[in-house]
Amino acid sequence: AQSVTQLDSHVSVSEGTPVLLRCNYSSSYSPSLFWYVQHPNKGLQLLLKYTSAATLVKGINGFEAEFKKSETSFHLTKPSAHMSDAAEYFCVVSDPWGGATNKLIFGTGTLLAVQP
Amino acid sequence: DAGVIQSPRHEVTEMGQEVTLRCKPISGHDYLFWYRQTMMRGLELLIYFNNNVPIDDSGMPEDRFSAKMPNASFSTLKIQPSEPRDSAVYFCASSLQVMNTEAFFGQGTRLTVV
Repeated sequence: AQSVTQLDSHVSVSEGTPVLLRCNYSSSYSPSLFWYVQHPNKGLQLLLKYTSAATLVKGINGFEAEFKKSETSFHLTKPSAHMSDAAEYFCVVSDPWGGATNKLIFGTGTLLAVQP
Repeated sequence: DAGVIQSPRHEVTEMGQEVTLRCKPISGHDYLFWYRQTMMRGLELLIYFNNNVPIDDSGMPEDRFSAKMPNASFSTLKIQPSEPRDSAVYFCASSLQVMNTEAFFGQGTRLTVV
């Protein structure tokens, strides 16, 4: 079965410093992986996705993630945090059960705080 | 397209009452998902539909929960009778029938059962 583990429930950084949100996955297949962001009292927005093309994926708002098969990781990074990045971030794996579905399996989330 | 539209945005109801949550997916999307988000359990998939047909409802917590999709542009999630532990944010999402494509989420319905 597919699953994702987000290693940190809370991360706090200072504005202007790098962001690293960690995610490990478990998959019997060649997975598709996503990062979603949820701002307070908002819905979920796709940041970026990996679907077996380039291993370094660039997303919106300066975020990127690197797929590392040897480490079963898909960590999210950003060189310089902005106050507006404060939100909850979800690592997600797509479960191709039955070969034709897009069932998403969510991690438990990492709450990112950005200090001024 | 306006995206996935959910209504109402907020619902407060008394225990024992029936609650109906509504969702309009993005036009042309083949999949529709209902998720529940709580502090304790995070995001849980309740049920999903493909071309209006329920495919997997193993996440539906109890018989009090039911979901329907009478046509491609509308789905409901009903709780009858509601209980305080049903209080959560319920999200609807939709996606294309393309392998490994992303899902688009609505703004959610915040349900409070008192």
